[in-house]
Amino acid sequence: DQQVKQNSPSLSVQEGRISILNCDYTNSMFDYFLWYKKYPAEGPTFLISISSIKDKNEDGRFTVFLNKSAKHLSLHIVPSQPGDSAVYFCAANINTGNQFYFGTGTSLTVIP
Amino acid sequence: DVKVTQSSRYLVKRTGEKVFLECVQDMDHENMFWYRQDPGLGLRLIYFSYDVKMKEKGDIPEGYSVSREKKERFSLILESASTNQTSMYLCASSFPGGAWDTQYFGPGTRLTVL
Repeated sequence: DQQVKQNSPSLSVQEGRISILNCDYTNSMFDYFLWYKKYPAEGPTFLISISSIKDKNEDGRFTVFLNKSAKHLSLHIVPSQPGDSAVYFCAANINTGNQFYFGTGTSLTVIP
Repeated sequence: DVKVTQSSRYLVKRTGEKVFLECVQDMDHENMFWYRQDPGLGLRLIYFSYDVKMKEKGDIPEGYSVSREKKERFSLILESASTNQTSMYLCASSFPGGAWDTQYFGPGTRLTVL
C-alpha cells in the first residue's frame, strides 16, 4: 500500500511562474520529509527537507510546506526555470527507522 | 562529497541469465538500499542493508537477492533474469536511523532483459 502519494504525474509551468508540487501521506508516524529531483539517466539528488516540528522550510527558490493535520506537503519553486524540468519525488521517514518511503513522482516541465 | 557509484550505467542481458549489480559508497554509511524505478510506480524498495552481512526485504524482493560482505559495497543479484525485471536500478546509502539525513543515490543502472 502506497504510504506516500503524488497524485499529479505531470505539471507544466511557464518560466518565471510558480511551480507547486504536492504530496500526501497516510502514516502519521512519519516525522521527516524530503524532496528529490531526478533528471533522466541520473540518480535522484536531494533537494530540500523538513522535519515534522516545522511547517515551512526555505532554501533559495525552493520552499517546502508541511500540513500535518492534512498529512500533506508541497514544494514551491519560485521563479521556475527551464533547468528545473525534472521528475520530483517526495519521500518520508520515521525517526527511528531506516527505510524511506517514496512517492511515484511528478514530472515538471518548465516552458521557456 | 558523498559518492555512490554503480558498476554499469547500461546493461543488456538475456532471460535466465544471472545478473550482478554492484554498488559502492565512500561515506562510511551503515545503510545501503536497492530500488527500482518504473514509470508511474516511482521508486520501489527491493532490499536494504543496515550493516555488513545484514539485509532486510523491501516491498518487492521476489526474484532478487543481495550481498553485503563489506561496509562500502552492496550487490544486487538477479538469480534468473526475466523480462519483467527490465528497469532502472538505483542504489542509495545513508547513515543509520535515517532521520535528519538524506539518502545519497548512485547514477543508476538501466537494465534491459531480452
